[in-house]
Amino acid sequence: ETGVTQTPRHLVMGMTNKKSLKCEQHLGHNAMYWYKQSAKKPLELMFVYSLEERVENNSVPSRFSPECPNSSHLFLHLHTLQPEDSALYLCASSQDRLRGYTFGSGTRLTVV
Amino acid sequence: TQLLEQSPQFLSIQEGENLTVYCNSSSVFSSLQWYRQEPGEGPVLLVTVVTGGEVKKLKRLTFQFGDARKDSSLHITAAQPGDTGLYLCAGANQAGTALIFGKGTTLSVSS
Repeated sequence: ETGVTQTPRHLVMGMTNKKSLKCEQHLGHNAMYWYKQSAKKPLELMFVYSLEERVENNSVPSRFSPECPNSSHLFLHLHTLQPEDSALYLCASSQDRLRGYTFGSGTRLTVV
Repeated sequence: TQLLEQSPQFLSIQEGENLTVYCNSSSVFSSLQWYRQEPGEGPVLLVTVVTGGEVKKLKRLTFQFGDARKDSSLHITAAQPGDTGLYLCAGANQAGTALIFGKGTTLSVSS
């Protein structure tokens, strides 16, 4: 149990589908993050939420839409994705980013 | 753009050997962290260093933060198969809102 739970663990979707990734943390952290992890690339920051407000949107295409309804939950809504969007999507939370993150296990997304 | 360069990219060694991996940048960081990631899982935080020159030990792992807070190293003594994984360094600065990650070092320890 890492304290950050992501569902689903695996997702295969067609390019015309709409799906959502869910992240939940019960660590009392006040910031949550979405990162994309692709082969041979550093983790790419997608979105940052601090106290439920989006504080960073790192030039992410509009086919990715985040939602943070409260400090414990974070969603990533997906629609009309491309095959190059296939990757491991990681959610993380922190109380103080200078001290580090707690990551979830990730969602392995495959777009066909 | 701040970058963290990790080396080597891949390392394959025998059980019992020692190894060092590096994390370098031209930028100064307020803190630097090391994570280990196993296949199919998210990264797990190993250590955070915040003071230039700081050395921290975690069993057989020794972490060092450079004096200028631009680089770090991870030394593993007598590596074991359980040390196998992707080692990521990540830096934080006062201005940014999130951590910056390196590409990682993939370590394979065979028995």
